[in-house]
Amino acid sequence: QSVLTQPPSASGAPGQRVTISCSGSSSNIGANTINWYQQFPGTAPKLLIHSNNHRPSGVPDRFSGSKSGTSASLAISGLRSEDEAAYYCAAWDDSLKGVVFGGGTKLTVL
Amino acid sequence: EVQLVESGGGLVQPGRSLRLSCSASGFTFEDYAMHWVRQGPGKGLEWVAIINWNSRTVDYADSVKGRFTISRDNASNSLYLHMNSVRHEDTAFYYCAKDTQGSGWYIDYWGRGTLVTVSS
Repeated sequence: QSVLTQPPSASGAPGQRVTISCSGSSSNIGANTINWYQQFPGTAPKLLIHSNNHRPSGVPDRFSGSKSGTSASLAISGLRSEDEAAYYCAAWDDSLKGVVFGGGTKLTVL
Repeated sequence: EVQLVESGGGLVQPGRSLRLSCSASGFTFEDYAMHWVRQGPGKGLEWVAIINWNSRTVDYADSVKGRFTISRDNASNSLYLHMNSVRHEDTAFYYCAKDTQGSGWYIDYWGRGTLVTVSS
C-alpha cells in the first residue's frame, strides 16, 4: 500500500492527451513539492518533472505537471508510442521523514 | 555526466547480511545527499534510506529501520547500504540515487540498480 495514490493504469490513442493523478496528504504533497519519474521496463527511473511543474533539460514540453492542495497530476499531450512506460509520483513526507512514492501508473498507448 | 554504479547484489539467505556499494562520478559527491530506493519484482518504487552530505543525518523507511545502515565515504565517492537480518521481502533491485541538495530535496539521477535475492 503506497502512501501516494495513483491509478494503476491509464491509456490513450496517439495524439491524445492523458492525465495521471496522484493523491496524498498534508504531510507530503500538501507540504512539499511533487516530482514525477518515468520508467521503461528493465531500466532505471528517470526524472520527468520536478518541483511540481518544472521539466529537466531534454524533457519534451508535451509533459507537464500541476499541484493543488494534497493532489497532483501529470499531463502528457500529443501522446506517442514511446511514452508507453510506468510513471511514478514522489514527494518528501514530513511525518515519515522520508520520500514517499505512488504505486505507479502504467501508461498504454493504444 | 553523472554516473552511479551499484554493486554487491546477489543471492543471500534469510537472516544473513549483505553490503551494497555505489560508485559515483561526474559530480561533486560530497555536496549532495544520497538515497537508496528499491523495487521488488513487478512492483513499484520503495524508498529505503537517505544520508545527507556529511553523514550527520540519516533516515530510513520503517520497513528497514534497525536492520539496514546507510553510509558514505566522500573521499572515495562511495555510498553503501549494509543490510542485516535480511528477509524474503527484501528481494528487489536496489537503486543508488543522487539528490539535488546536500540535505535532501528530490532525486535527480539514478543508477542502474543491483539485484538482491533473499532465498534459502
